[in-house]
Amino acid sequence: LAKTTQPISMDSYEGQEVNITCSHNNIATNDYITWYQQFPSQGPRFIIQGYKTKVTNEVASLFIPADRKSSTLSLPRVSLSDTAVYYCLVGGSGSTLGRLYFGRGTQLTVWP
Amino acid sequence: EAGVTQFPSHSVIEKGQTVTLRCDPISGHDNLYWYRRVMGKEIKFLLHFVKESKQDESGMPNNRFLAERTGGTYSTLKVQPAELEDSGVYFCASRLTSGIDNEQFFGPGTRLTVL
Repeated sequence: LAKTTQPISMDSYEGQEVNITCSHNNIATNDYITWYQQFPSQGPRFIIQGYKTKVTNEVASLFIPADRKSSTLSLPRVSLSDTAVYYCLVGGSGSTLGRLYFGRGTQLTVWP
Repeated sequence: EAGVTQFPSHSVIEKGQTVTLRCDPISGHDNLYWYRRVMGKEIKFLLHFVKESKQDESGMPNNRFLAERTGGTYSTLKVQPAELEDSGVYFCASRLTSGIDNEQFFGPGTRLTVL
């Protein structure tokens, strides 16, 4: 099981780009990298998933270097509503198990 | 499309009592998961259903916890008898087998307080 390490907290101002980096040195060959977002009093919400290189969707971009030992979630032009906890998860794909392993996450606070 | 719903949103019970939590997954999602977060800890996996079958219950803390998913639709998680350390937020999630790997849709959680 690949353990992930990410910053405990980050601060940003509205309109800035935020990059949250996650380390996962023991990632396995068939592991995907997945990021979730969680607001207070809500369940986690899927943001993005990738295996290698770069993935982009309407919410964020995910950068994964060739060695896959780390990944960076990029949030363009954050707003106050992006204040949340962001989790980096590493796990297998294509399995009916699909259990997710959450770490402590990164508390992102966006200031006006 | 309705999301995952959980009932109740909050429950306060005394030690030794029984509590039953309910989860209604997104319609058509065969996979249903239970997780929980106890105070100050990470969200931890409890178990996974595929339809009505328990695929993985390795995360269940002890035999005071019983999960069911009769008919493969909604699921219940019963704690009997409840202990103080069971306090926390219980999340349910569902997933479409043919969907994006590792994309689970979470409910808002049930906050359980055992006094």
